[in-house]
Amino acid sequence: DTGVSQNPRHKITKRGQNVTFRCDPISEHNRLYWYRQTLGQGPEFLTYFQNEAQLEKSRLLSDRFSAERPKGSFSTLEIQRTEQGDSAMYLCASSSRRNYYGYTFGSGTRLTVV
Amino acid sequence: AQKITQTQPGMFVQEKEAVTLDCTYDTSDQSYGLFWYKQPSSGEMIFLIYQGSYDEQNATEGRYSLNFQKARKSANLVISASQLGDSAMYFCAMREGPAMNYGGSQGNLIFGKGTKLSVKP
Repeated sequence: DTGVSQNPRHKITKRGQNVTFRCDPISEHNRLYWYRQTLGQGPEFLTYFQNEAQLEKSRLLSDRFSAERPKGSFSTLEIQRTEQGDSAMYLCASSSRRNYYGYTFGSGTRLTVV
Repeated sequence: AQKITQTQPGMFVQEKEAVTLDCTYDTSDQSYGLFWYKQPSSGEMIFLIYQGSYDEQNATEGRYSLNFQKARKSANLVISASQLGDSAMYFCAMREGPAMNYGGSQGNLIFGKGTKLSVKP
């Protein structure tokens, strides 16, 4: 169990550019979640996958955001035409039915849009 | 709508003393789970403790205990014998749906705004 891995750790981009983040969950976890955390706030749910199926999307996930989890393994979160309001920490978590302690989070990707 | 409220933006505690971080929640579900996470400056959310809505006893994990008062909808975290390494943000979170005992954690979490704990030497 190597934990949840997120890349990159930091990303600085110019407004209007597209960015993509990657999350590698714990291998036996079937569910994967994306959260966004802005400064001074708790994480807010964006979307989650069960295996390769995207089961729920928050209203926070605008049309500029898209997430995929091909083959039920790693996941990517893409933001198109970034805006300054997209600056935040993007956290990934995974869980499984056998994981009594619930969700395992990655260290996050901090996005700064300039 | 589900909601988690943490009313203490910041707390100070002397090393080796106990501290209580407050959390109240709002839900219409009978079945739910309550979590506490620690977030150091590195950003990772570290699981501390879990309480299911049907659990009759307060949860404990080492120096962490959860003071669960269901009628008041509160789930306060108590950290005993504070250490300098406890300085971090602490988040209370809730998951609605089947209690963990019966199916594992499978729904999304709703977080409070957090409490910044500072431990003084």
